[in-house]
Amino acid sequence: ETGVTQTPRHLVMGMTNKKSLKCEQHLGHNAMYWYKQSAKKPLELMFVYSLEERVENNSVPSRFSPECPNSSHLFLHLHTLQPEDSALYLCASSRLVDSNQPQHFGDGTRLSIL
Amino acid sequence: GQQVMQIPQYQHVQEGEDFTTYCNSSTTLSNIQWYKQRPGGHPVFLIQLVKSGEVKKQKRLTFQFGEAKKNSSLHITATQTTDVGTYFCGGGSNYKLTFGKGTLLTVNP
Repeated sequence: ETGVTQTPRHLVMGMTNKKSLKCEQHLGHNAMYWYKQSAKKPLELMFVYSLEERVENNSVPSRFSPECPNSSHLFLHLHTLQPEDSALYLCASSRLVDSNQPQHFGDGTRLSIL
Repeated sequence: GQQVMQIPQYQHVQEGEDFTTYCNSSTTLSNIQWYKQRPGGHPVFLIQLVKSGEVKKQKRLTFQFGEAKKNSSLHITATQTTDVGTYFCGGGSNYKLTFGKGTLLTVNP
């Protein structure tokens, strides 16, 4: 059982749709992350939040819009996505924004763009 | 920017054989972390190495951190079918981890 919950587990959407991915952590952590995992590529860090404040935007296209209303919740709003955006989107949390902190991952949302 | 290279990309072994995966960073790391992702699952933290030349063991798994803190290895002795999955290293620098592509391990019973 993971302390990081992601919904939905699977999402199929058209390129003109708008949808949101949700992540909730029950670990009392202060840092949350969005990663993109594509086949044959390393985990790509997209966004980092520390206590609801964004500290990293890793050159992510504007069609991905993160939101962190509090330290337990993280959203990724999606609009006008492209086929190459199909991937597994993983949320993670850690106690602090510090590379020495282990990260706890959710099960991910498998996103398919038609 | 920082890059972490991991080899091999795939490794297939017979049950009982040993397995090793290697990570190399383009820059000196503050720490290195290892994760395992089972098929259809999510990455799960295994261990963290911080000190130069550090060696840690978890049952059949041995983790090493190089003297220059730029490379690391994970060695599994006598693999079992439960070891199947992708093993990732994450190199720590500044406040974030840079992950390798991972090594997919399959084990033939």
